[in-house]
Formats: sequence, C-alpha cells, structure tokens
Amino acid sequence: EIVLTQSPATLSLSPGERATLSCRASQSVSTYLAWYQQKPGQAPRLLMYDASKRATGIPARFSGSGSGTDFTLTISSLEPEDFAVYYCQQRSNWPRLTFGGGTRMEIK
Amino acid sequence: EVQLLESGGALEQPGGSLRLSCAVSGFTFSTFAMSWFRQAPGKGLEWVSSITASGDSTYDADSVKGRFTISRDNSKNTLYLQMNSLRAEDTATYYCAKALVASANWYFDYWGQGTLVTVSS
Repeated sequence: EIVLTQSPATLSLSPGERATLSCRASQSVSTYLAWYQQKPGQAPRLLMYDASKRATGIPARFSGSGSGTDFTLTISSLEPEDFAVYYCQQRSNWPRLTFGGGTRMEIK
Repeated sequence: EVQLLESGGALEQPGGSLRLSCAVSGFTFSTFAMSWFRQAPGKGLEWVSSITASGDSTYDADSVKGRFTISRDNSKNTLYLQMNSLRAEDTATYYCAKALVASANWYFDYWGQGTLVTVSS
C-alpha cells in the first residue's frame, strides 16, 4: 500500500497569506496525485488532479506541483472560504486508492 | 446539474447487513465508473469499492473484501453498496462519487453528501 503523509497537520494562517501544503508518498506515484478540499459537514471537492491540473471551476489561486514522492498544493492568497481540510490522493496503485491524513487549515 | 444522493444509512448491530443506494442525475450514469468511499467520525477518507461503467468489473478494499458488494442498475441510475457482516470499524459516513473521466475510476469530481452508518450493539 502506498502511504501518503501530509504536513503540517494544522496550518494557521490569515486571509491574504500564501499557503503551502505538502504531501509525501512512500514510493513514487509519478504525477498521479489529486488534491481535495473538505469543509465541515460537506463532501470532498476535487481541486487538482495529475498533480498540477486544476479541476473545472477551481480558482487560479490554487496550484499544484510535484512528481515522484513529493507534492505541494499552493494557495497564493487565502480567501475566507479556503479554510478547510485538504487531502491528497494517489491513483498510481489503482485500484488501491489511498488518501493522506489531511491538513487542517485554520484562521490565525 | 450533477446530483448524487445517498440513502440507506442506519444504526445496525454487529454482524448485521445494510444496503446503501446512490441515486444520480445530471449526467449519463451508464457511461461513468463509480466508487464508494467512507470517512469514520473525525477521521480521513478511505476508498471502499469501485465499479466500471457497465458493471462488469468491481474492486474492493481489503478491509471490506468478502463482506461488501458494489453494484449498479444503469436503468435506474442508481449505485448500490451491499454491506454484510458489519463490524464496529465500519462505522462511518459513506459517500458515492463519480469518476472524473468516464472510464478512469481514479479521480472523482462529484460526490454525494454522504449517509451515516453506525455499527453498534
């Protein structure tokens, strides 16, 4: 099983600041990685796939990068609605899809 | 508008059974692979099961293999998850999700709001 480790577990920032979230895989997943956002009581929302492709309707302030084992989700300037939990997900080992443990982004 | 609506979650005793349903609309259901995921209270996401668009192939996580069965009825635009031999560790909110690309069941662009399954005596 491919284990995804996200860091930090919690990120405290203010609106307007830049956010950098990390996802590290236990073995190479090439660029087969997605990012999801989840708000309390809501379903996950696809943000990025194949490491750097934005899903439909996702604002340009979200960007993804990385390959192999190290990936980053960057939010260039935080909006109030961006405070949520973020998960990475790999599909390299399909059908055994796995998720990271999540990064909670909270308002400082 | 794409919509996915899960139902069937309930309180069930260990060893019992439940069948979850996911009614979809707003896209051509019969052409998209689908999956189930779950999220234990306060925990992260876990993949449970996947099924191809035609329903001829299914895939299950080791944690549910032999106990859960995914299926679909393309004439009814509905996805199912039959859950047998339930355990306390199956307690979670269960989500159905649509594949981003029709035949590629590995990224998911639409999710239902979830249905809560609680396994307890």
